[in-house]
Amino acid sequence: AQSVTQLDSQVPVFEEAPVELRCNYSSSVSVYLFWYVQYPNQGLQLLLKYLSGSTLVKGINGFEAEFNKSQTSFHLRKPSVHISDTAEYFCAVGTGANNLFFGTGTRLTVIP
Amino acid sequence: DAGVIQSPRHEVTEMGQEVTLRCKPISGHDYLFWYRQTMMRGLELLIYFNNNVPIDDSGMPEDRFSAKMPNASFSTLKIQPSEPRDSAVYFCASSLAGTRGNTIYFGEGSWLTVV
Repeated sequence: AQSVTQLDSQVPVFEEAPVELRCNYSSSVSVYLFWYVQYPNQGLQLLLKYLSGSTLVKGINGFEAEFNKSQTSFHLRKPSVHISDTAEYFCAVGTGANNLFFGTGTRLTVIP
Repeated sequence: DAGVIQSPRHEVTEMGQEVTLRCKPISGHDYLFWYRQTMMRGLELLIYFNNNVPIDDSGMPEDRFSAKMPNASFSTLKIQPSEPRDSAVYFCASSLAGTRGNTIYFGEGSWLTVV
């Protein structure tokens, strides 16, 4: 079975400051890892994903994430956040071609 | 590309009434998912289909919930009778099967309020 833990339910950060959103996963098989973003009153959209290869993955809007197999983590980072980054961020894990298991989400609030 | 299209976007209904949510997946996608999002329980998978066939409906909360996919371009999620605790955002999503790690694309959601 797979599971995802997002360690912080809410993360406030000042504009132009760096941010890290933490995600840990559990799985007995190889996994694929995803970060999705949900802006207010919208659906989820893909930020980035890790399938294989380089452990540092770059996504849209200046976000990146690093896969760490030994620590079973896939933390999301951005060196300088903008007001427009205020949203809910979901980490997800998949093991095959179909369903994903989502974490409970982290609400990022960027403070002017 | 039109993306996943859901209707209605917003629905307010009285307890006991039937609610039908509709979804048109991205053309060519062969997986379709229904999720429910609430503050208390987060994002939950209700059911998913592959090539119009239900594969896993273990997330469907009760017999009041049913989902169908009569063809590759249309799916419905029905709640009958509806209850206030069904109030949530219901997302439809679709994906194209690949050998690994295919992306799931979400619709904008149907915001259901049962009073």
